[in-house]
Amino acid sequence: SQQGEEDPQALSIQEGENATMNCSYKTSINNLQWYRQNSGRGLVHLILIRSNEREKHSGRLRVTLDTSKKSSSLLITASRAADTASYFCATDEDTGKLIFGQGTTLQVKP
Amino acid sequence: DTEVTQTPKHLVMGMTNKKSLKCEQHMGHRAMYWYKQKAKKPPELMFVYSYEKLSINESVPSRFSPECPNSSLLNLHLHALQPEDSALYLCASSQVAGTDTGELFFGEGSRLTVL
Repeated sequence: SQQGEEDPQALSIQEGENATMNCSYKTSINNLQWYRQNSGRGLVHLILIRSNEREKHSGRLRVTLDTSKKSSSLLITASRAADTASYFCATDEDTGKLIFGQGTTLQVKP
Repeated sequence: DTEVTQTPKHLVMGMTNKKSLKCEQHMGHRAMYWYKQKAKKPPELMFVYSYEKLSINESVPSRFSPECPNSSLLNLHLHALQPEDSALYLCASSQVAGTDTGELFFGEGSRLTVL
């Protein structure tokens, strides 16, 4: 079963611009995580935000969580060509399952 | 060592073959996972092992048979697969499974083609 819906499905920006991706989910969660996947590779964990947190920062990443709206956003500031990848949100349903959203494909043009 | 190692990287098999995918981690993690990922789709959870016991099976067909010989190793045995089973198979581990799962560490995947 897929929990999250991500928006937009695809995003193309110029290097140096900011990229914002959104994730919506349906059930209550313990935490929400964001992962990056380069083409054909494994997933890399970026950041985890707990259900009692509203905002979290890690380097050029900023994540927000609104549990009342069951939504989260990932902001990548000052994007680089190396940020080109697919980005997935994943929700921890407190059942031992981490369920991934549909993903956003980000292209950063040099 | 924060690596999850998967072998083989690529596998081509016929529908009557029996093969296995292997996964290894040495981070002391007690939860291990198999995910299946089709092109341009998100990873789909297949199995979760917690403390070497199968805790979640997401209604996966019996032609996929997981095995956890010890806390560091996870295998996925494949038999009588169909062409639609062709996908990237991802192994992951985490410190624990269940309440507040935390970060998953993924391997690079095994790309399976079924002819």
